[in-house]
Amino acid sequence: NAGVTQTPKFQVLKTGQSMTLQCAQDMNHEYMSWYRQDPGMGLRLIHYSVGAGITDQGEVPNGYNVSRSTTEDFPLRLLSAAPSQTSVYFCASSLTRGQGKTTQYFGPGTRLTVL
Amino acid sequence: AQKVTQAQTEISVVEKEDVTLDCVYETRDTTYYLFWYKQPPSGELVFLIRRNSFDEQNEISGRYSWNFQKSTSSFNFTITASQVVDSAVYFCALSGTQGGSEKLVFGKGTKLTVNP
Repeated sequence: NAGVTQTPKFQVLKTGQSMTLQCAQDMNHEYMSWYRQDPGMGLRLIHYSVGAGITDQGEVPNGYNVSRSTTEDFPLRLLSAAPSQTSVYFCASSLTRGQGKTTQYFGPGTRLTVL
Repeated sequence: AQKVTQAQTEISVVEKEDVTLDCVYETRDTTYYLFWYKQPPSGELVFLIRRNSFDEQNEISGRYSWNFQKSTSSFNFTITASQVVDSAVYFCALSGTQGGSEKLVFGKGTKLTVNP
């Protein structure tokens, strides 16, 4: 298994540009999520999905869109990039429901800079 | 609301010293999970341990040990005989059952530097 994969690893955008961060997992995990990591802030949940066709907002959803058309993929879209979205983005997945199935495994991250 | 506090922002030790990373949490859930993740300088997040709220047994894995105390809402992490490779940022995290047990709330992390 490749686990959780993210592309690209690095990206530089100009203010106002849009882009999609890709996330995929091959573990048949129901639950997927996006976090952003900022210096001194830990990780904060942006959006999450408990299964194909179902998404919901996390703590910091503004400026981001998600969709979940398949179990494997959970892309994160930046509609109009702003410097405040400069961050490292992590995708995570886990099996869901049932005791012992809530450990989330993280992708390698995407480092995004918005100029 | 759920909250995780890691009061130690940075810790510096000399190799072979023991070091304890503190984690204090707040939750109203009766069932919840606590986690520790390691983020080495390469940037990835590595899962270390999960503990559910009904299991207060301490756990040891090699040089790592975890002390879970519900009475003080703490889930501390001790590294015995630290090594340079332990240098990383360590995150404590919490997930509850209200609104979905999969939503993790992270502390701000403790940066551990182990000097040779």
